Amino acid sequence: ETGVTQSPTHLIKTRGQQVTLRCSSQSGHNTVSWYQQALGQGPQFIFQYYREEENGRGNFPPRFSGLQFPNYSSELNVNALELDDSALYLCASSSRDPPYEQYFGPGTRLTVT
Amino acid sequence: GEDVEQSLFLSVREGDSSVINCTYTDSSSTYLYWYKQEPGAGLQLLTYIFSNMDMKQDQRLTVLLNKKDKHLSLRIADTQTGDSAIYFCAESTGGSYIPTFGRGTSLIVHP
Repeated sequence: ETGVTQSPTHLIKTRGQQVTLRCSSQSGHNTVSWYQQALGQGPQFIFQYYREEENGRGNFPPRFSGLQFPNYSSELNVNALELDDSALYLCASSSRDPPYEQYFGPGTRLTVT
Repeated sequence: GEDVEQSLFLSVREGDSSVINCTYTDSSSTYLYWYKQEPGAGLQLLTYIFSNMDMKQDQRLTVLLNKKDKHLSLRIADTQTGDSAIYFCAESTGGSYIPTFGRGTSLIVHP
């Protein structure tokens, strides 16, 4: 059973640029959630995808967008990067069966300068 | 205020028990989870408890749930230096597949 993988591991971008982060879900999971974790904080929910449709969104602006593909892998896109977007971005996959536990990838560390 | 609250730091001696506490506000919480995050890594699910349970034990881990007070705790017996990490409490409500996380408790284990 393959776990959740994310790429890239680290990324440095300049303010105003765009970035795409990628996630492969765990085998058998059809739901992918994305979180932003700033230093010293808990994960903040960005959005969730279920069967290629957005299934819930946190308090993030529209410049945060995503996709889920037929194989349940997912992308997070962030446009017009701001300095405050610097954070660890975590992807988690899950099934729709209780207890709905989420399995996290190692994260992508994004630094915006 | 936050939906899930935790104290930020806990320091224990190796071999002692650690107790990490969490309070939540949503009385309709169905599942409550404990995750562990080591430096530079993602979150690892340690254990979970269903809201109709009072206690769950899994090897060195004991979860206690007081639903009336909306209080959850994680006890780690015989704490080791490898247990040093940040521990997150999270809750989800029935019908929602999106857990809400606390800010995490940083556990420091010293010899």
